[in-house]
Amino acid sequence: GAVVSQHPSWVICKSGTSVKIECRSLDFQATTMFWYRQFPKQSLMLMATSNEGSKATYEQGVEKDKFLINHASLTLSTLTVTSAHPEDSSFYICSAHRRGGLADFYEQFFGPGTRLTVL
Amino acid sequence: AQTVTQSQPEMSVQEAETVTLSCTYDTSESDYYLFWYKQPPSRQMILVIRQEAYKQQNATENRFSVNFQKAAKSFSLKISDSQLGDAAMYFCAFFGNEKLTFGTGTRLTIIP
Repeated sequence: GAVVSQHPSWVICKSGTSVKIECRSLDFQATTMFWYRQFPKQSLMLMATSNEGSKATYEQGVEKDKFLINHASLTLSTLTVTSAHPEDSSFYICSAHRRGGLADFYEQFFGPGTRLTVL
Repeated sequence: AQTVTQSQPEMSVQEAETVTLSCTYDTSESDYYLFWYKQPPSRQMILVIRQEAYKQQNATENRFSVNFQKAAKSFSLKISDSQLGDAAMYFCAFFGNEKLTFGTGTRLTIIP
């Protein structure tokens, strides 16, 4: 199967600091990776789409200077929350689309998520 | 823009019984994919079943099946022989225009 990992699984930081979350596809190459945010008891909201070697595409309303996304390789994407504040506390989930997948089939593989708590 | 609507915030079903979760969507696209995902308390998203819009035949995966009505833009999930492990949040999702849009979710409780 296709496995996606995230690190860390849980992070607590002080207000004003920056936090980096890593998303890795462990056994496949990902053409595209996605970052979602999920508030308690709510749905997943797409924040941005990243393709290896190019700039991320952010959804409307997502501050690109606050949520920095770097897709350095076909197996790694990082999300950096800069100058974090308590309102940034949330559950962040990444997913990856497998490169070379069937052209007539689409599936995203999800990481286990990262819980961010900003004090 | 596409939207996905799940009108049942919570559902419950007796163990071994059948339950149907509703989902409707709105899009102007003709080529897209539909999914049901399960999110247990661990919060790991698990794919339950998928449906390609161009396929008329409803998808089936063991105890899970869908009723896909393209003209009505409806995509319901039927869970047969419900098991305690089926308890979770279920999200309907639409993939089109290069992104996945999720519904608000249905919390399914299984009554022993």
